[in-house]
Amino acid sequence: TQLLEQSPQFLSIQEGENLTVYCNSSSVFSSLQWYRQEPGEGPVLLVTVVTGGEVKKLKRLTFQFGDARKDSSLHITAAQPGDTGLYLCAGLPNSGYALNFGKGTSLLVTP
Amino acid sequence: DVKVTQSSRYLVKRTGEKVFLECVQDMDHENMFWYRQDPGLGLRLIYFSYDVKMKEKGDIPEGYSVSREKKERFSLILESASTNQTSMYLCASSFPRGLYKMNTEAFFGQGTRLTVV
Repeated sequence: TQLLEQSPQFLSIQEGENLTVYCNSSSVFSSLQWYRQEPGEGPVLLVTVVTGGEVKKLKRLTFQFGDARKDSSLHITAAQPGDTGLYLCAGLPNSGYALNFGKGTSLLVTP
Repeated sequence: DVKVTQSSRYLVKRTGEKVFLECVQDMDHENMFWYRQDPGLGLRLIYFSYDVKMKEKGDIPEGYSVSREKKERFSLILESASTNQTSMYLCASSFPRGLYKMNTEAFFGQGTRLTVV
């Protein structure tokens, strides 16, 4: 299994602050996905990045795939309490069927 | 609305019992997966299936088996439940990777929180 390291593991910030979550690996991935999970629910896909260097924006969330396709970052601008949740990165290896998940970043945004 | 449905949200079973966790998807996906999620360990793959009657071991298959008799249904079986199998179990499905790397989104069920006492 190709490992994905996420950092930080926990993040507690106030509404309006900016933050960045990192997802790193020594392996190359075919694509990388970011999911958000709320307590008691399954993860839900936010974005898929495929091309090295790709940047995607989803409202206040910006996702970047590293040039070498080994790492990714998620940046949230002006965080809101509704952004609270567990953020998971997941990489699809160049061969195989299953996503490899990072351990997640638990984000708490307080008013 | 696409859906992956797990048969139970919460289960409490006794040590040594045989436990069945059921998962059904309505998206005609070829791939189906079972993960367990534990604090500090993230999602770990138990088994996956890429077609009816086909199965592959994931990273932590010990103590588990699976069954996929129909395309839409993927069952996880705990042959003899133990306390270290207390966890959140997540089922997911997806299309095969094919030529379109974008089309690999995994759709998850709501999870089954299993407690073995």
